[in-house]
Amino acid sequence: DTEVTQTPKHLVMGMTNKKSLKCEQHMGHRAMYWYKQKAKKPPELMFVYSYEKLSINESVPSRFSPECPNSSLLNLHLHALQPEDSALYLCASSPLGAGQETQYFGPGTRLLVL
Amino acid sequence: QKEVEQNSGPLSVPEGAIASLNCTYSDRGSQSFFWYRQYSGKSPELIMSIYSNGDKEDGRFTAQLNKASQYVSLLIRDSQPSDSATYLCAVIKDSSYKLIFGSGTRLLVRP
Repeated sequence: DTEVTQTPKHLVMGMTNKKSLKCEQHMGHRAMYWYKQKAKKPPELMFVYSYEKLSINESVPSRFSPECPNSSLLNLHLHALQPEDSALYLCASSPLGAGQETQYFGPGTRLLVL
Repeated sequence: QKEVEQNSGPLSVPEGAIASLNCTYSDRGSQSFFWYRQYSGKSPELIMSIYSNGDKEDGRFTAQLNKASQYVSLLIRDSQPSDSATYLCAVIKDSSYKLIFGSGTRLLVRP
């Protein structure tokens, strides 16, 4: 089973709203990732968690706040977003260890900021 | 120079033909290489991973890696219209777990 689930599938929010994106995997992977993808562009890495600790933050604005409550769950808290933040947000997970870094992506949350 | 480069396409091939997708990377320290397929509006789906020089085959797909030339390719045999998608080449360098994507090649398989 290589399934990563994400909720919600779609989200529309105003610039003053607070919302959260959720990601879950039950493959025992100890690394989890958030990516942002704009139309006709490749995914851009936002955050990496390894062993539930934030290991990479790609200089993402503070209006995006990640959280990893346990090894299976990853959240992305959104606050005071801008219309240019509208995109497909992808969660991924992978095992840890050399030669085992294959990342498996969830279906994504399509976010529209009005 | 981009870290991972792909021709954006579209690459158009007739049904049943071999589609050849190419990717070059700039960092000689890169160790792990991946091909993902992405249909419009969907998330990337892993097609192949390759770590050593040479060929790796899985069904209709063959990944080829040449570290000396910093080149990785994906061959799709007996192409089907359902293979029409964007193919993303991705690379991990050293032990960062940071996946660096190329811009993707759009493949169109004509019936």
